[in-house]
Amino acid sequence: EDKVVQSPLSLVVHEGDTVTLNCSYEVTNFRSLLWYKQEKKAPTFLFMLTSSGIEKKSGRLSSILDKKELFSILNITATQTGDSAIYLCASLIQGAQKLVFGQGTRLTINP
Amino acid sequence: GAVVSQHPSRVICKSGTSVKIECRSLDFQATTMFWYRQFPKQSLMLMATSNEGSKATYEQGVEKDKFLINHASLTLSTLTVTSAHPEDSSFYICSAASGPTINSPLHFGNGTRLTVT
Repeated sequence: EDKVVQSPLSLVVHEGDTVTLNCSYEVTNFRSLLWYKQEKKAPTFLFMLTSSGIEKKSGRLSSILDKKELFSILNITATQTGDSAIYLCASLIQGAQKLVFGQGTRLTINP
Repeated sequence: GAVVSQHPSRVICKSGTSVKIECRSLDFQATTMFWYRQFPKQSLMLMATSNEGSKATYEQGVEKDKFLINHASLTLSTLTVTSAHPEDSSFYICSAASGPTINSPLHFGNGTRLTVT
């Protein structure tokens, strides 16, 4: 059974801190690993990672994939209260063209 | 960027009635759309994959006669929850690929919060 596991499930930090969110996966026919941010409604796309070892950056957010160890991390530096959200990672299954989601990490940034 | 519109955003219905949710890709053609369900404080669970012009593919445990999916055009897929019960109350989200899925991220609609009384 395809499985994506995120940790921690919940994280509370102070504004300005740096956080690292983890995502491990066990899937057949892995194609890519995607990160999404979900606030009150639908998830918004952050990153799609297909190759190992290549860091993707967008402002204070960055992510990297390790296909040998089957995990990815999402880093957020200098966190702000607006970063508070649920962060979802998902594995894209080749062939089936579907996403298998992890449970999400609920991140709370306190002022 | 690619936009996916979902309607309605919120619906309350009585037990035993049916509810239709629409998912439209506004500025691109989506040969494949996906329907997810999300219970409070849980992740998104894929319900079915909707293919334009053919039958939907349902995930294990999802009743195809209860959750009817129609993908009649390259920009519209609908999910009908038939004979709804309180346990069907959930957040339903659709997504669509703006290109070959292996190369493009899926874009999500804003979701529909269904409450069955």
